[in-house]
Parts: sequence; C-alpha cells; structure tokens
Amino acid sequence: GESVGLHLPTLSVQEGDNSIINCAYSNSASDYFIWYKQESGKGPQFIIDIRSNMDKRQGQRVTVLLNKTVKHLSLQIAATQPGDSAVYFCAESNDMRFGAGTRLTVKP
Amino acid sequence: KAGVTQTPRYLIKTRGQQVTLSCSPISGHRSVSWYQQTPGQGLQFLFEYFSETQRNKGNFPGRFSGRQFSNSRSEMNVSTLELGDSALYLCASSGTGTSGLTDTQYFGPGTRLTVL
Repeated sequence: GESVGLHLPTLSVQEGDNSIINCAYSNSASDYFIWYKQESGKGPQFIIDIRSNMDKRQGQRVTVLLNKTVKHLSLQIAATQPGDSAVYFCAESNDMRFGAGTRLTVKP
Repeated sequence: KAGVTQTPRYLIKTRGQQVTLSCSPISGHRSVSWYQQTPGQGLQFLFEYFSETQRNKGNFPGRFSGRQFSNSRSEMNVSTLELGDSALYLCASSGTGTSGLTDTQYFGPGTRLTVL
C-alpha cells in the first residue's frame, strides 16, 4: 500500500557537520510535505514544509529537497548542533501519514 | 500566546476500562487533530475536528471517538481499552480552515496512556 517511510532509523553526526535525513513516499499524488522535529518528552514541532511545485526550500539552517521523480525528500541541517538531537519525521499531507522517524544524535 | 495543552499528561488504566483525554488548542485555532504515537507504528492520525464537526478520520476502530466543543476544545475517548492502546496520544491545532495537514500544526506535549 501507499506509505511514507524513512531510510535510516538512526543517524549520528559530529557537532558542526551537516546532517541529511531522508524520506521516501509512494503516493505520487502527494502534493505537500512537512518535516517535524520531536524532542524527548515533547510533541512534534514543525520545521519546514514544501509543496510539490517546488524542488527545494530553505529555512534557517535547514533545507528540504523534493525529488518527485523518485518520490524522495530529504532534510538537510547545516552545522548541526547538540540542540538538533531529536527524532525527525516526514509527513505527507494528503493522506495524513507520517514516517517512522529518524533519531539524530549529535556528538560534541 | 499559550500553546496546545493536554490533560492529563499521564494515565494508567486497565483493560476494558474507558478513558477520556482533553485538548485545548491555541487560542483562535479551530482545527484540532488527534494522533496516536507508538514505537512500533510511529505517528498515526486518528481524526480531525473543525467547528465541532469531524472532518477527517484515520483507520482506527470505532472504540476511538472524539468531539469538539464550541470553544474548539476537544476530547478523545477510547472505550473498552486494550493493551495495544498503550501509547502517547498527541493533539495538534491549526489556525486555518483548510483540511488535512495543509497548514502548520502545533502539537501539545501529549498524554501518555498505559493500559495494564
């Protein structure tokens, strides 16, 4: 069936490095995607979104890339900081589906 | 502006009981959505309410129900609890009238439900 999934369940990076978190989707009709960050003991927090008429969108230290050809999106975090340690979810708006999440750990 | 609040934060129930969870959205927000989060299934959409009407519904059994009041506060009820209902239940509110996840959702801290 249709799904939204993440390639890696965990990611460990050094402080200051760039992080890339990937997400695959299978519903070709999906037209809006969102990335959320969830810290321990808290609810998910909106990071950035992108619509299907865009390939790239940038925020503060974060960039989301959308490749509709292979139905893949990624979240890039520049100069990763310890405060970025969290679980990151991608979400596909049309079917209200969320990926399983990738746990990002930033090593000092 | 105060964020989304959920009560209670923690709850322990036994199988067969029922439970009611409460969510107060951000002031002015009219859309409230509920989600279940478990380690095995991740974050799953339960339902969305807008102006006291259920607008979207996920694939959960009828034991899961909800309602929204005129002040946009929402409650979620689970009847005949099962062990598998143990989860973090998250509520999110958004400010526009558009359906689904097409607007930024603001999540509460969740209610941790444990079913024994």
